[in-house]
Amino acid sequence: DAGVTQSPTHLIKTRGQQVTLRCSPKSGHDTVSWYQQALGQGPQFIFQYYEEEERQRGNFPDRFSGHQFPNYSSELNVNALLLGDSALYLCASSLAAGVNEKLFFGSGTQLSVL
Amino acid sequence: GEDVEQSLFLSVREGDSSVINCTYTDSSSTYLYWYKQEPGAGLQLLTYIFSNMDMKQDQRLTVLLNKKDKHLSLRIADTQTGDSAIYFCAVVDLNRDDKIIFGKGTRLHILP
Repeated sequence: DAGVTQSPTHLIKTRGQQVTLRCSPKSGHDTVSWYQQALGQGPQFIFQYYEEEERQRGNFPDRFSGHQFPNYSSELNVNALLLGDSALYLCASSLAAGVNEKLFFGSGTQLSVL
Repeated sequence: GEDVEQSLFLSVREGDSSVINCTYTDSSSTYLYWYKQEPGAGLQLLTYIFSNMDMKQDQRLTVLLNKKDKHLSLRIADTQTGDSAIYFCAVVDLNRDDKIIFGKGTRLHILP
């Protein structure tokens, strides 16, 4: 049973560029959440997708957008990259119907903005 | 909004017990979690406790919840070198917005 997979594992971009990160959820999961983890910090919630729609959103600007596909995989897009966007981006999947929303995390994409 | 606080570092001798503490602000938090993050990896769910419980034990792990003081702790018995990692406390209120809020993590260092 494949867990949550993310690609790419590492990425280097320059300021002003755009980036797309990808995530495949754990088999059987239908909900995908994205988190940003800056160095030395806990993960910060960006948004959550369920049934191909953004269900929840954290305190992130509109430069951060996402998409969920019919197969439940998801993309995170960040436009007009800033130096401060450098972080580990974590994808987590869960089962929306579950009473206890246990998140299963991927290993993350390390984004460096130069 | 919810705020989750943890001490940043803990050093423990191999074989001793480790106790990692967490405090939170929102008394309506329904589920409280402990996640482990090893270098270069994502977060691994270790254990969780529902807010109507005081204690949960799972092999070497014991979670204690003091709802009055809004204090959560994770005890790791017989700490091993493989326990060296960052431990995150996280809380969620399923009656509100379902967002899981994480603390900044406690780095557990094992002394030989």
